[in-house]
Amino acid sequence: DTGVSQDPRHKITKRGQNVTFRCDPISEHNRLYWYRQTLGQGPEFLTYFQNEAQLEKSRLLSDRFSAERPKGSFSTLEIQRTEQGDSAMYLCASSLDRDEQFFGPGTRLTVL
Amino acid sequence: GNSVTQMEGPVTLSEEAFLTINCTYTATGYPSLFWYVQYPGEGLQLLLKATKADDKGSNKGFEATYRKETTSFHLEKGSVQVSDSAVYFCALREGNKLVFGAGTILRVKS
Repeated sequence: DTGVSQDPRHKITKRGQNVTFRCDPISEHNRLYWYRQTLGQGPEFLTYFQNEAQLEKSRLLSDRFSAERPKGSFSTLEIQRTEQGDSAMYLCASSLDRDEQFFGPGTRLTVL
Repeated sequence: GNSVTQMEGPVTLSEEAFLTINCTYTATGYPSLFWYVQYPGEGLQLLLKATKADDKGSNKGFEATYRKETTSFHLEKGSVQVSDSAVYFCALREGNKLVFGAGTILRVKS
């Protein structure tokens, strides 16, 4: 399978804990995106990387959120001190330059 | 900022019925427009796209025409199947990111 993969698919955590998600893009894609989707809404942009450089961040990305793409391949999204409002589906997508964005299956986060 | 508005769902149709899902957008300039589909338990998939005014995107029997006069990109299919049941998202490109509508649930009954 050469699509975008995300791990874990589901994460349940208690409020105040830290969580980290991983995204593996399509191998030849140089751009990687993170989106968040809450129930009944469309995905909302969080941040994007071109190779290892984080070039754009949304205002939605509070200082509790940090994303990295250290070698320009996989990416991690960490949420510190989780809050119930962080419960959502976190989607990763990748693209070759400005071509079509291919989405992964998402990581569903539940904060209790 | 730019935004996308879709008709609220769920939309429930019988098999072989005609489908229209309305999508309008607010944007500066003429952004590329997209329809994505999310089948149950799966990730978002690009269904079709149009990059300039009057372009028609089409795929799997679905069509949408980029109308700059009405700032619309309505999705249509002449004869839906049960397998088309999914959530459909209209989106536009704003710089390097996609801006999505809230999604429209389609349920097709046999």
